[in-house]
Order: sequence, then C-alpha cells, then structure tokens
Amino acid sequence: NAGVMQNPRHLVRRRGQEARLRCSPMKGHSHVYWYRQLPEEGLKFMVYLQKENIIDESGMPKERFSAEFPKEGPSILRIQQVVRGDSAAYFCASSLLAGGPDTQYFGPGTRLTVL
Amino acid sequence: DAKTTQPNSMESNEEEPVHLPCNHSTISGTDYIHWYRQLPSQGPEYVIHGLTSNVNNRMASLAIAEDRKSSTLILHRATLRDAAVYYCILQGNTGNQFYFGTGTSLTVIP
Repeated sequence: NAGVMQNPRHLVRRRGQEARLRCSPMKGHSHVYWYRQLPEEGLKFMVYLQKENIIDESGMPKERFSAEFPKEGPSILRIQQVVRGDSAAYFCASSLLAGGPDTQYFGPGTRLTVL
Repeated sequence: DAKTTQPNSMESNEEEPVHLPCNHSTISGTDYIHWYRQLPSQGPEYVIHGLTSNVNNRMASLAIAEDRKSSTLILHRATLRDAAVYYCILQGNTGNQFYFGTGTSLTVIP
C-alpha cells in the first residue's frame, strides 16, 4: 500500500512565477491536509479538504494561495506570484476518517525555493 | 487551539530509555493526545496516541497523567534512528487539523 506521495520533491521558482504542488493521498483516504514548515519551525496547518470540497482553509493566506482536491486526481496546492517568504517545505497528509483520533499520514514534502 | 509545551531539546544515550514530557494544561475532555516525530528532511511520522489511559505499541509507550494535563512519551531503548524532533499534538473530536508546537529535538549519543 503506497504511502502519501508528493511531487515534485524539490521546486525552484523565481519571484512572480506560479508554484503547483501535488499530493496523492493513501489509497482509500478522502481527507487531505496541507501544512507549511518554515526553516527551524514546526508545521503550520493551512487547509483541510475532502473530495471536491474545502472544509477548513483557516490557515491559508487569503491571497495567492489556493487548494483543490478534485474527484479524480491528486490534491493541488497552488501558489501564484511567489515571493521569497513562500520558501518552505510543504507537507501533505491524508486520513481515512474525519475527526479524532484518526491518524494522519504525511508525505515526504515538497521543498519550495523562491529565488 | 489547545497548546502544548515541550522542552526544546533532550539527549539520551543509546539503548537507554527516554522520557519525553509534554504539558497541555488547557486540554479539554474530548481532546486526543497524539505524538508524531520528524526525522531530518522527512515528513512527520505517527508514533502513538491516547485519550485517558496509558497506551503501548511497538514503537513507544504513552503515559497520560490522571488529570490529563500532561503526558510522557517513553522510548524504551533509544537507538540512533530515534534521533528526531518529537511533537506532542492535541486534536479535538470536532477538528481535523493538527496544531504543531516547536517539539523536542532528541539527540541520541552512541
């Protein structure tokens, strides 16, 4: 059973470009979460999605960031017009059930570098 | 968000037990206590979780105080592969997202 997959693992963008991060949850999981980790810090929750629905986006910046989890295909975190402060590791997690105490399984992350 | 407090760093000798503490004095009655760890350049990995009773699994044990305001993750015999940042996380039954603190960076000395 493959784990959570994220790609690309490393992404380099110049300021003003767009970054697209993809996450394929574990088989059978319909709940996806995105977290951001700045250097030397803990993970910060961004958004929680179920298939075709955004459930909670309270941790996501209001501008330039968007997320989707279509009926078919991976979840996408999209960052438009990237700035240097967007440089971070972005982790995706998936879970089988909603609410505690379901375990979240994390992917290996995408490390975004903005030049 | 319910808050957790952990020491920034701890050290342990290889093959000795390690007790990683976590304070969560604002925990509510329905919050679950989760522990995850993050190895360098990897995503967080599930370790253990509990609600009120102590829990054991193949990786670790979780000791929860009677008033639930603190808990301790116990690694029975630390190995070099256990060197990681350990996060104590509270999760309510109406919320799905995890709120990570700064965690405890565990160094295992050969």
